[in-house]
Amino acid sequence: AQKVTQAQTEISVVEKEDVTLDCVYETRDTTYYLFWYKQPPSGELVFLIRRNSFDEQNEISGRYSWNFQKSTSSFNFTITASQVVDSAVYFCALQGAQKLVFGQGTRLTINP
Amino acid sequence: GAVVSQHPSRVICKSGTSVKIECRSLDFQATTMFWYRQFPKQSLMLMATSNEGSKATYEQGVEKDKFLINHASLTLSTLTVTSAHPEDSSFYICSARRTYEQYFGPGTRLTVT
Repeated sequence: AQKVTQAQTEISVVEKEDVTLDCVYETRDTTYYLFWYKQPPSGELVFLIRRNSFDEQNEISGRYSWNFQKSTSSFNFTITASQVVDSAVYFCALQGAQKLVFGQGTRLTINP
Repeated sequence: GAVVSQHPSRVICKSGTSVKIECRSLDFQATTMFWYRQFPKQSLMLMATSNEGSKATYEQGVEKDKFLINHASLTLSTLTVTSAHPEDSSFYICSARRTYEQYFGPGTRLTVT
């Protein structure tokens, strides 16, 4: 069975602070994909990144960075110098051989 | 990126009536589409997988007679909530698969009064 755990339900930080969102996953598939999505108050899911199980390179995109560690089954997401516009719910998701499974989400609030 | 639309974006209906939600892939053909439901402050839960030209596959606990799914063409899937009740009020999100990627619609907020 596939499972995604986002242990942090809510995080609140002050603008310009760095913040890391944790994601731990479980799967028996050898080939799988990991995703991060942002869901602002409007509700529409915004795709942030996809990483396949064979690519453990960390990735940086502007203020966003992702740390994929297969050894610990983790795919953490860091926002550097956070901004108020980063406030949203963030979902980590896992796609194995079958369906896409979402974590419970982390509600991130960036305070001015 | 690929575009998936949903219509309507918001709908309010009376208890006991039926509501149809459309999901369209605008710039690609999708043999597989998915329907998710999201209650407030919760995650997305897969309701069913819709394959063009065949019956949908429902997740455990989802009533297939209540949530009718029709994938009539490669660009359109519909979800009909029959005899809606207040507990069906939720945010419904569809997605369409292209190769290994899923593209999500903007969601439909259903309120049953």
